[in-house]
Amino acid sequence: AQSVTQLGSHVSVSEGALVLLRCNYSSSVPPYLFWYVQYPNQGLQLLLKYTTGATLVKGINGFEAEFKKSETSFHLTKPSAHMSDAAEYFCAVSDRTAGNKLTFGGGTRVLVKP
Amino acid sequence: GAGVSQSPSNKVTEKGKDVELRCDPISGHTALYWYRQRLGQGLEFLIYFQGNSAPDKSGLPSDRFSAERTGESVSTLTIQRTQQEDSAVYLCASSTRTGMNSPLHFGNGTRLTVT
Repeated sequence: AQSVTQLGSHVSVSEGALVLLRCNYSSSVPPYLFWYVQYPNQGLQLLLKYTTGATLVKGINGFEAEFKKSETSFHLTKPSAHMSDAAEYFCAVSDRTAGNKLTFGGGTRVLVKP
Repeated sequence: GAGVSQSPSNKVTEKGKDVELRCDPISGHTALYWYRQRLGQGLEFLIYFQGNSAPDKSGLPSDRFSAERTGESVSTLTIQRTQQEDSAVYLCASSTRTGMNSPLHFGNGTRLTVT
């Protein structure tokens, strides 16, 4: 069975400050990991994903995440927050079967203060 | 191009009534997924389709929930005898295939409120 834990349901950052969203997972097989973002009144959009290869993954809008197997983590970062980054962010792990079923974390809502 | 479309966007129903939620996936996407998002919680997997078949229904909460897909296109999620605990946003997603590298494209969801 897989599970995903996101530390902090709400995060508040100042514009221009570092954004750090934490994600830890458990998986019985080498994981495929994803970050999705949900802007208000919109569907989820893929930010980035890790499947194989380089453990530092770059995504859209300046976000990146690093897969650390020893820590079972896939934290999401952005060096400088922008007001448009205010959204809810979800970490997910794939079961890597043909179904590609994703298990999601509980989400972290980011508030950006001017 | 057109994304995943879900209807209705909002549905308010009385406890005990049946509801149908519709999902139009991106054209050509063979895989289709239903998820549920309760207030303040993450997404719960319900069911997925490969073509018109549903190899994994493990997430359906009870036998009041069912789903079908026709023409390898539109899918309908039906909830019978709705309960207040069914109140949630129901999200549909599609992908080109069920391979692990195929990203899911999500619709905006149907917000269901059971009174």
